[in-house]
Amino acid sequence: NAGVTQTPKFQVLKTGQSMTLQCAQDMNHEYMSWYRQDPGMGLRLIHYSVGAGITDQGEVPNGYNVSRSTTEDFPLRLLSAAPSQTSVYFCASSSGQRNTEAFFGQGTRLTVV
Amino acid sequence: GQQLNQSPQSMFIQEGEDVSMNCTSSSIFNTWLWYKQEPGEGPVLLIALYKAGELTSNGRLTAQFGITRKDSFLNISASIPSDVGIYFCALLSRSGAGSYQLTFGKGTKLSVIP
Repeated sequence: NAGVTQTPKFQVLKTGQSMTLQCAQDMNHEYMSWYRQDPGMGLRLIHYSVGAGITDQGEVPNGYNVSRSTTEDFPLRLLSAAPSQTSVYFCASSSGQRNTEAFFGQGTRLTVV
Repeated sequence: GQQLNQSPQSMFIQEGEDVSMNCTSSSIFNTWLWYKQEPGEGPVLLIALYKAGELTSNGRLTAQFGITRKDSFLNISASIPSDVGIYFCALLSRSGAGSYQLTFGKGTKLSVIP
C-alpha cells in the first residue's frame, strides 16, 4: 500500500533553475496539500487543493505554483529557485476538508545553491 | 495567521520518565491534533481531540483539549527510545475560502537517553 508518494527524495538546484516536485496518492483522497518544514518553524502550508481543478494559497505561496488535473496527483513547481527555498517539502492528503487524519509523504529535501 | 505556541522546544529525558508538552493558541478552536515525526519521515497523526475537556489516550500517550478551547497538552508515560522524534500540535481552522487548513506548532523535539 503506497499511500502518499513523493519524488525525488533529494534534489540540489542552482539559483534560477526550475523544477517540479511530484506527489501522488492512491487513496482517492479529495484534499491534498504542500508544506515546507524549516528548522524551528514547524510545517507551513504552501498551497492546497480541495479537489481536481481547484487550488488555493496557503501561508507561504510565493515562488511556488501548483495544479490539480487529477485526483491522484498534485505537483509543486518552482519556476525560479532561490536559496530561501532550501527546505524539506511534504505533501499530504486526506479524505475530506475536515478530515483530520492527513497522510504525509516521506518528504523531498531540496537544496538551492 | 493563527498564533500557535508550543513548548518546550526540545527535551532530553531518561528512558522511563514521563513527558509533558503543551500548546496554546490565540483563538478558540474546535479541533486539536497531535502528530509525531520520526527522523526522515513525514508526520503521523497520534491523537485527535474534538471537544473542550476531552481526554483521549493512545497507549502510553494521553492528550487533553483544554476547557478554554485555547490549549492542549500531550503526555507520554514511561518513555522508551522509540519515542524519539518531533511532536507537533496542530489546529484545524476554516480558511477565508471556506475550506479547512491545518496549522502546525513549531514542534517539540524529544530525545530519550537509554
